[in-house]
Amino acid sequence: EAAVTQSPRNKVAVTGGKVTLSCNQTNNHNNMYWYRQDTGHGLRLIHYSYGAGSTEKGDIPDGYKASRPSQENFSLILELATPSQTSVYFCASGGQGGNTEVFFGKGTRLTVV
Amino acid sequence: GDSVTQTEGLVTLTEGLPVMLNCTYQTIYSNPFLFWYVQHLNESPRLLLKSFTDNKRTEHQGFHATLHKSSSSFHLQKSSAQLSDSALYYCALSASSGSWQLIFGSGTQLTVMP
Repeated sequence: EAAVTQSPRNKVAVTGGKVTLSCNQTNNHNNMYWYRQDTGHGLRLIHYSYGAGSTEKGDIPDGYKASRPSQENFSLILELATPSQTSVYFCASGGQGGNTEVFFGKGTRLTVV
Repeated sequence: GDSVTQTEGLVTLTEGLPVMLNCTYQTIYSNPFLFWYVQHLNESPRLLLKSFTDNKRTEHQGFHATLHKSSSSFHLQKSSAQLSDSALYYCALSASSGSWQLIFGSGTQLTVMP
């Protein structure tokens, strides 16, 4: 079974603070993704990566940075957190090509106060 | 850019009735891959079924869908709903000339009542 682990699972941050969400996968997948999930908007792609050292902007990258230091790890960074970034964040990994299954982590619930 | 539209945000029906969840997509690429993911309460999304072959029915766990490129549709169906089918369903699209992104629709919350 493909494994994607996110940490922390829950986080409360203050407005203006820096937040780092971490993701680790043991699937040896090239592609990794960060999504946020909000009622009425579904899963929206923030950043993605094709491999170590690469990051690409998704549909809603503003206010977020990403880092892929290795095949296994993909981080999402909020340099100056805002209440509008309160959401559930999912990390996912998948193989190369368009028809491969994507596997999700359990999600991180972030609250910015 | 690429997009996926799920017109129903909420679908409520009675156990035993048929299920149909709508999905249409937009892409400039001629060979898209379409997916349905399901997310049960307090769980992560997981793949339900996928297709990239035009006009071919694909089935899994009692659900089925057919990709119709002529109408850019990939509707999810099931002949008889079960209580355990209650979940959030996402249609997703992967299409590119080499830069693959997985784009999700806004999701349809299916609630099956006894």
